[in-house]
Amino acid sequence: EPEVTQTPSHQVTQMGQEVILRCVPISNHLYFYWYRQILGQKVEFLVSFYNNEISEKSEIFDDQFSVERPDGSNFTLKIRSTKLEDSAMYFCASSVNLGTGSYEQYFGPGTRLTVT
Amino acid sequence: SQQGEEDPQALSIQEGENATMNCSYKTSINNLQWYRQNSGRGLVHLILIRSNEREKHSGRLRVTLDTSKKSSSLLITASRAADTASYFCAPRGGSNYKLTFGKGTLLTVNP
Repeated sequence: EPEVTQTPSHQVTQMGQEVILRCVPISNHLYFYWYRQILGQKVEFLVSFYNNEISEKSEIFDDQFSVERPDGSNFTLKIRSTKLEDSAMYFCASSVNLGTGSYEQYFGPGTRLTVT
Repeated sequence: SQQGEEDPQALSIQEGENATMNCSYKTSINNLQWYRQNSGRGLVHLILIRSNEREKHSGRLRVTLDTSKKSSSLLITASRAADTASYFCAPRGGSNYKLTFGKGTLLTVNP
């Protein structure tokens, strides 16, 4: 069964460094998302992406964050200058419009980002 | 998008028993989705129920929706230790694509 994959599974970086988290969505999906979950807290929406542009973003998704679909398969989240509070599990998700407005989302296993 | 509130926050049962979790929401929806998250892992889509449906089944899962009460319930029958996880509802309305998750129900199934 097709699945969303994410790399790396764990990323450790120093404060102020740039990180790029990578995701390969399910191949026929058209909508892509990033969520994050700080340890012990709720899963929070960051951004949605469709037709090569951001369709929606949350307040968390400030100028330090950017997303890109550099080729036909990858979907990346870049954090330009990481802060300690960016430490979290980052989940990528994708969905396909079934024509019914369903938008079930399929999540990847996550990348644990640790900022030291 | 809007957030659902799951109840109870935690539920502990014995293997073989049924588990019922509830979800309440505040505004009108197009559909409501249930997800499961095993500790530290990604969320897994379980089932979607549309606003014009009242009940839906998928294997050992049964979901009900009462739009007049703005509530939904998820029943897991004949629970197994592997069902131990957090369960979240995600009500969806309007044209937003994002999902908004609450704190979930932490289900523990004891062998």
